[in-house]
Amino acid sequence: GIQVEQSPPDLILQEGANSTLRCNFSDSVNNLQWFHQNPWGQLINLFYIPSGTKQNGRLSATTVATERYSLLYISSSQTTDSGVYFCAVLYNTDKLIFGTGTRLQVFP
Amino acid sequence: ETGVTQTPRHLVMGMTNKKSLKCEQHLGHNAMYWYKQSAKKPLELMFVYSLEERVENNSVPSRFSPECPNSSHLFLHLHTLQPEDSALYLCASSYAVTGIINEQFFGPGTRLTVL
Repeated sequence: GIQVEQSPPDLILQEGANSTLRCNFSDSVNNLQWFHQNPWGQLINLFYIPSGTKQNGRLSATTVATERYSLLYISSSQTTDSGVYFCAVLYNTDKLIFGTGTRLQVFP
Repeated sequence: ETGVTQTPRHLVMGMTNKKSLKCEQHLGHNAMYWYKQSAKKPLELMFVYSLEERVENNSVPSRFSPECPNSSHLFLHLHTLQPEDSALYLCASSYAVTGIINEQFFGPGTRLTVL
């Protein structure tokens, strides 16, 4: 089956710093989503991005489907950005396969 | 608020109990999903319902029994669970066209502890 790997597994930042999270996948996919899971477990949709670049405030994402990776950029990080970031790929039209996540901690 | 609600948010049950988890979506979607998130493991897809028919059962033990009475409601019936079933159970919904699913939206989850 398809493998979805995220890096780094853990990231510690000071408030105001920028960061880049990476998602690699081992096969062609139909789509890709980025999520933020807050400390209470809620998965919050960040981007639905099969290819190209999208921006939403301080966050942006780029997916290069032909090279099988996606990047999530967080600029000017805030303590509320803390949590776990997941990418998930849509495989075989009906399966959303999740990566292992990047745990981000932002300190004041 | 994602438009997907789950109840209860927390549940503690013994191994001999029977309980049910409920999920409701207010997004007009036609596909619903149950996922399990255990500590230190990626989210695992358990069940998929598309147009109220089960289309996926990811080798889930029979002590988990899903029910989808209509496109807005999804249940997960639990009986004779094991302590290793303790996890966060997440419901999601999406719009699906000819089997191709679109963006999924998740509920807040039910944190289940089995004693």
